[in-house]
Amino acid sequence: GENVEQHPSTLSVQEGDSAVIKCTYSDSASNYFPWYKQELGKRPQLIIDIRSNVGEKKDQRIAVTLNKTAKHFSLHITETQPEDSAVYFCAVGTGGYNKLIFGAGTRLAVHP
Amino acid sequence: AAGVIQSPRHLIKEKRETATLKCYPIPRHDTVYWYQQGPGQDPQFLISFYEKMQSDKGSIPDRFSAQQFSDYHSELNMSSLELGDSALYFCASSFGQGSQPQHFGDGTRLSIL
Repeated sequence: GENVEQHPSTLSVQEGDSAVIKCTYSDSASNYFPWYKQELGKRPQLIIDIRSNVGEKKDQRIAVTLNKTAKHFSLHITETQPEDSAVYFCAVGTGGYNKLIFGAGTRLAVHP
Repeated sequence: AAGVIQSPRHLIKEKRETATLKCYPIPRHDTVYWYQQGPGQDPQFLISFYEKMQSDKGSIPDRFSAQQFSDYHSELNMSSLELGDSALYFCASSFGQGSQPQHFGDGTRLSIL
């Protein structure tokens, strides 16, 4: 089955810096790659997603890049703010009905 | 905009009891997914339904069952509860099959005493 690895597990940055989180996956048939932000005790919130026919997608301060050949994708957050502090999960949509397989998560701390 | 509604938000049960979790998807969404998230862990896929039929199955124990009804809401039935079943249970919904965004509800926090 699909295996998703996410790095780093924790990331600490100063406000205004950029943050990059990387994920690798194993199944070359996987075709959907969302990123979720989860605050403590709350629901995972979809922040951006990319499909396998696209290499890069941007939404304001957030961007995702996908390298299908290398089977990895990354989340880029620019001009980080304290409210960006949360756990970020990458996920891979796999199978005909695209169940999501999640990475282990990255705890991002943005210090003022 | 309407979101995924889950009930109850919190549930406390004792070992060997049963529990039923409910999920009401976003209007017009026809696919429902259930995930289990333990403390400090990532969500684990349990089961999904598309158009009232089971579409995929993950690491769901045999003690659990689920179904999707004609109004597209779904219920997760859990029996012979164990301490290890204590977790956050999320329901997500999407429209159609394939690479469609899944939107999560606020979850049900199940505590087994």
